[in-house]
Amino acid sequence: NAGVTQTPKFRILKIGQSMTLQCTQDMNHNYMYWYRQDPGMGLKLIYYSVGAGITDKGEVPNGYNVSRSTTEDFPLRLELAAPSQTSVYFCASLRQNSPLHFGNGTRLTVT
Amino acid sequence: GIQVEQSPPDLILQEGANSTLRCNFSDSVNNLQWFHQNPWGQLINLFYIPSGTKQNGRLSATTVATERYSLLYISSSQTTDSGVYFCAGSTQGGSEKLVFGKGTKLTVNP
Repeated sequence: NAGVTQTPKFRILKIGQSMTLQCTQDMNHNYMYWYRQDPGMGLKLIYYSVGAGITDKGEVPNGYNVSRSTTEDFPLRLELAAPSQTSVYFCASLRQNSPLHFGNGTRLTVT
Repeated sequence: GIQVEQSPPDLILQEGANSTLRCNFSDSVNNLQWFHQNPWGQLINLFYIPSGTKQNGRLSATTVATERYSLLYISSSQTTDSGVYFCAGSTQGGSEKLVFGKGTKLTVNP
């Protein structure tokens, strides 16, 4: 049981490039989340999903897109990378009324 | 949306001391959880505690849902307790849109 797996662990992008952060969970959790954490700050919710085919915006969705075609996978897409998107990105999942489980994060730098 | 306020923002302790961290919510909240982020950046779930009291070793948590707050108690602190403690919750309604506080940074000195 791997839990929540995020890839890649690190990535450097140039301004204007695009990339997809991958997230997969093997716990059959309905709910999945993407958060970003800027240095020394708390976690801000980007997008979340309550099940396959259903996604909704969080607190800071601008510049990002998500999809949820399966229960297991919840990729996060950055279309036109900007320096303001330099951050650590965490994916997480849970079953309703149960603890939230985090992946180990992806450290993204946009230069 | 729901606002989550944590206090204190920073806390420095000597090893062996006890501490209490607080989390206040602007609205009725369910799905309340506490997390520890270690110095390597990993986020570990400490408690899922929508109401009542739970204990796990030297750590315990109490949530008073009707008064919109939760407390995390750390007893006999150790240097390995250092890191940032976050609480999170979602409003009633089942959307599970979990919002985090800004955290309490704990430093335990030997």
